[in-house]
Amino acid sequence: GAVVSQHPSWVICKSGTSVKIECRSLDFQATTMFWYRQFPKQSLMLMATSNEGSKATYEQGVEKDKFLINHASLTLSTLTVTSAHPEDSSFYICSAEREYEQYFGPGTRLTVT
Amino acid sequence: DAKTTQPTSMDCAEGRAANLPCNHSTISGNEYVYWYRQIHSQGPQYIIHGLKNNETNEMASLIITEDRKSSTLILPHATLRDTAVYYCIVRKGNQGGKLIFGQGTELSVKP
Repeated sequence: GAVVSQHPSWVICKSGTSVKIECRSLDFQATTMFWYRQFPKQSLMLMATSNEGSKATYEQGVEKDKFLINHASLTLSTLTVTSAHPEDSSFYICSAEREYEQYFGPGTRLTVT
Repeated sequence: DAKTTQPTSMDCAEGRAANLPCNHSTISGNEYVYWYRQIHSQGPQYIIHGLKNNETNEMASLIITEDRKSSTLILPHATLRDTAVYYCIVRKGNQGGKLIFGQGTELSVKP
């Protein structure tokens, strides 16, 4: 139990375009989901907390207008990287919370050319 | 949440026990010690957590010192598939909320 999926697993896009990443809790409902970003050889950095039915809470330094988060249902949160640039290339990981514990997705590798 | 300190990297021979230390000297009474690991290019995987008693599950054992200022994660018989970055995280229990990842320990299990 407690499986979290992400789609796509990898994506390549051109600079200036937008990319949407989905995070789904497959066998449980999650009121709260989290989005992390990880650059090569670095640790995970929390970007935002996504709450179903309300606005996301962004960490300091994360641009909310650039990284749009929508948590429209108890099993789905989406992260849209708007007007992507090469510096947004990274590994994006989501997690879903169940009974106070976090279960992580497999990650999405974004490359912006 | 309390900050943790871990060695940057460690090596371990296959079949031997891997002992990964973590210092959390500012831990408060209601904070738990959690361990996650991340195999290259995958999402983190939960391993174990504890408050003050030693804990064991099918993956590992967690030894927490009596003063709770440090802990050790033990993989009893390391295999090549245990090669990963191991993160020690301190957080309040039974409250949920965000996890703050430090730099972790890169464990290399060698044949």
